[in-house]
Amino acid sequence: DQQVKQNSPSLSVQEGRISILNCDYTNSMFDYFLWYKKYPAEGPTFLISISSIKDKNEDGRFTVFLNKSAKHLSLHIVPSQPGDSAVYFCAATITSGTYKYIFGTGTRLKVLA
Amino acid sequence: DTAVSQTPKYLVTQMGNDKSIKCEQNLGHDTMYWYKQDSKKFLKIMFSYNNKELIINETVPNRFSPKSPDKAHLNLHINSLELGDSAVYFCASSHLREHNEQFFGPGTRLTVL
Repeated sequence: DQQVKQNSPSLSVQEGRISILNCDYTNSMFDYFLWYKKYPAEGPTFLISISSIKDKNEDGRFTVFLNKSAKHLSLHIVPSQPGDSAVYFCAATITSGTYKYIFGTGTRLKVLA
Repeated sequence: DTAVSQTPKYLVTQMGNDKSIKCEQNLGHDTMYWYKQDSKKFLKIMFSYNNKELIINETVPNRFSPKSPDKAHLNLHINSLELGDSAVYFCASSHLREHNEQFFGPGTRLTVL
C-alpha cells in the first residue's frame, strides 16, 4: 500500500519554462511534506518542505503547494535550468513519534537546453 | 568535510555470504536511518536509531541487523545474503524533532550474485 504516490515517472521541460512535479498521498495524518532531489550515484538532497498548516512555501525558484483537501502537493520550478535535471522525490511524515518519512517513487525531470 | 559517508560504495558478493555496510555522520545529529531503494526505485525506511536506541524497525528480515556503537555511526550487517537483497542502501541522519530534514549518504549499491 503506497501511501505517497508520484504518478509521473518522468517529465521533460524546455529550459526557462516551468516544471511542475506532482505528488499524492492517502494518509490524512501526514502533516509535514518534503521534496528531495537526487542526482545519479548520489544520495537524495533536501530541497524544500511544507507544513500542513501552510498551503504554499517558496524558496527562490522552487515553490511547493499543498492542497490538503485533495491530499495533493506539487513542486514548481521556475525557470527550469538544465542543472535541475534529476530525480525528484516527495516524502511525507507525521511529526510526532519517530518522524518516519514515507517516500514516493520519484519523477525524473529532464530540462532540455 | 563529508556530512554523511558510507562504505563501501559498491559491494558485489555471493549468495549466502555475510556483509556489512558502514555509515558515519559528522553533523552532530542524534538520529540515524537506513533506507533501501529497490529495483522499482521505492525508497523505504528499514531502521532508525536515536541516541543509539532503536526507534524504527520496519518489517525487515532478521538477517538484517543494525548496530549503533555511538550517535555518529550506524552500521548495517546482513547475514546469509539473498538475491532479493540486491539494492541501493542509503544511510541518513537528522535531529529528532519536528520539521527536521534528513541528510543522506551517497548510497551503497549491493549486488548479490
